[in-house]
Amino acid sequence: GENVEQHPSTLSVQEGDSAVIKCTYSDSASNYFPWYKQELGKRPQLIIDIRSNVGEKKDQRIAVTLNKTAKHFSLHITETQPEDSAVYFCAASSLGGTSYGKLTFGQGTILTVHP
Amino acid sequence: SQTIHQWPATLVQPVGSPLSLECTVEGTSNPNLYWYRQAAGRGLQLLFYSVGIGQISSEVPQNLSASRPQDRQFILSSKKLLLSDSGFYLCAWNLAGFRNEQFFGPGTRLTVL
Repeated sequence: GENVEQHPSTLSVQEGDSAVIKCTYSDSASNYFPWYKQELGKRPQLIIDIRSNVGEKKDQRIAVTLNKTAKHFSLHITETQPEDSAVYFCAASSLGGTSYGKLTFGQGTILTVHP
Repeated sequence: SQTIHQWPATLVQPVGSPLSLECTVEGTSNPNLYWYRQAAGRGLQLLFYSVGIGQISSEVPQNLSASRPQDRQFILSSKKLLLSDSGFYLCAWNLAGFRNEQFFGPGTRLTVL
């Protein structure tokens, strides 16, 4: 089955700095890679996703890059703000087939943005 | 629009007591449904998923079970809770065969004493 490794487990930055979280996956059949943000005590919410037919996707201050050859993808947050503080999860999945929509999640990164 | 509900929001139960958590989805048909558990400060562990009424797949062996009596209802149960069952239980859904973005419910925080 799929295995997703996420690094770092904790990340501390100053407000205005950039933050980068990296994930690697094992199954070459995976072709959908979402990122979720989970604030304390709340549900995870999708912030950005990417499919394997593109190498990069951007949405305002957040971007995701994908390297299919190396089987890794990264989340980039620029101009960080205190409200970006949360736990971030990457995930991998295979669209269609017998995956049944299952996501394999990384272990999460606790991001702290200091004012 | 689609909405996912979970109840109860919080629950404190003694060891050895039974458990029933409920999840319902509104505004969609034939969703895939998932139960996750999240221990404090940890990642998301997939417990069960279902692609249709009465169809349940278990991801990890444990003393929990799941049932899907209706298309948009997913129930997580236990006959006898263990201390290790404490955690934040999340239900999620997505549409089969479309895209795999999963939408999470608000969660149930279970404390077993």
